[in-house]
Amino acid sequence: NAGVTQTPKFRVLKTGQSMTLLCAQDMNHEYMYWYRQDPGMGLRLIHYSVGEGTTAKGEVPDGYNVSRLKKQNFLLGLESAAPSQTSVYFCASSFHRGYNEQFFGPGTRLTVL
Amino acid sequence: TQLLEQSPQFLSIQEGENLTVYCNSSSVFSSLQWYRQEPGEGPVLLVTVVTGGEVKKLKRLTFQFGDARKDSSLHITAAQPGDTGLYLCAGFSGGSNYKLTFGKGTLLTVNP
Repeated sequence: NAGVTQTPKFRVLKTGQSMTLLCAQDMNHEYMYWYRQDPGMGLRLIHYSVGEGTTAKGEVPDGYNVSRLKKQNFLLGLESAAPSQTSVYFCASSFHRGYNEQFFGPGTRLTVL
Repeated sequence: TQLLEQSPQFLSIQEGENLTVYCNSSSVFSSLQWYRQEPGEGPVLLVTVVTGGEVKKLKRLTFQFGDARKDSSLHITAAQPGDTGLYLCAGFSGGSNYKLTFGKGTLLTVNP
């Protein structure tokens, strides 16, 4: 049981480049989330999904897109990276009932030059 | 907009000391969670408190949910260097809300 995995772990991009972050979970969770974590700002929700084929905007969605084609995977895309997107990105998943206790991946550290 | 404020923001103590960190809001939550995040890793769930006034213990850690379900505290007895990390509280409103409201965290350093 790997839990929540994220790839890649580190990435450096130049302004304007694009990339996709992959999140995978093997716990059969319905809900999945993408957060970014910045010093002094805490965890901020970018996008989330309440089931396969569904996505919704969170607190800071601009500049990002997501897709959930398979229940176990949640992809976060940056179409044209900007230095303001330099951050640590975390994926999380949770069951569809209960207290929404979330299980987090190890994070992706992204630097945009 | 629901907000959770955590205090203190930073805490540096010596091994063996006791400490309490706080999580406060003006909003009512149906449940509240505490996570610990170690450097370079994702947050890990420690506990969920559900009932107003509830107290839960996890070894040397004691968690309390306020009677009005607007606040919570985490008390650590005889802190150890292994307790070092960022402690995050997160509130869940329940119902059709799919999201958690996270506080910004308390960064705890326990010096040997």
